[in-house]
Amino acid sequence: GQNIDQPTEMTATEGAIVQINCTYQTSGFNGLFWYQQHAGEAPTFLSYNVLDGLEEKGRFSSFLSRSKGYSYLLLKELQMKDSASYLCAVRDRTSNTGKLIFGQGTTLQVKP
Amino acid sequence: AAGVIQSPRHLIKEKRETATLKCYPIPRHDTVYWYQQGPGQDPQFLISFYEKMQSDKGSIPDRFSAQQFSDYHSELNMSSLELGDSALYFCASSQKPSYEQYFGPGTRLTVT
Repeated sequence: GQNIDQPTEMTATEGAIVQINCTYQTSGFNGLFWYQQHAGEAPTFLSYNVLDGLEEKGRFSSFLSRSKGYSYLLLKELQMKDSASYLCAVRDRTSNTGKLIFGQGTTLQVKP
Repeated sequence: AAGVIQSPRHLIKEKRETATLKCYPIPRHDTVYWYQQGPGQDPQFLISFYEKMQSDKGSIPDRFSAQQFSDYHSELNMSSLELGDSALYFCASSQKPSYEQYFGPGTRLTVT
């Protein structure tokens, strides 16, 4: 089975940098995704890692270590609109269509 | 760019009634996923289709059924609705299985 852990809540200041960690235990790993979700809205795709290392995409970066079962999402130059829930999701290799197994999400609050 | 379309956006039903949710994937996407997200919870995978065939099945109750049609749109049929079925139902599509999934805006189902 899959087990994905993220901190429940985080608070950061506008303009700062925040790192959201995600650890996972999986029986079949085939990539890790980060999604942003505002309350009541659809998850929005942020990043995807399948190999070890850092993927950078503007203000957002995501890191993966498969041997440690660990990923993080780094958000730079925080803006108020970054206040949202951040979901770590693992793609199930045993799935024919690559279904996603989500963590509980980390609610990030950005303060002025 | 075209996105995933879901209808209706909001639906209110009474216990024991039936509901049909519709999903129109992004053009040229052949894989459709359904997820259920309860209040304060992470999205839970229900079922997926690839090339109009059911491919994976998750925690979908026997009271629910789904199919993908020749134009790739999908419908989730829910019968004998229960209060616990109240949730956001997201449809996601991907260009191929295991490519990144793009989520629709969701259907908020309220069962009273």
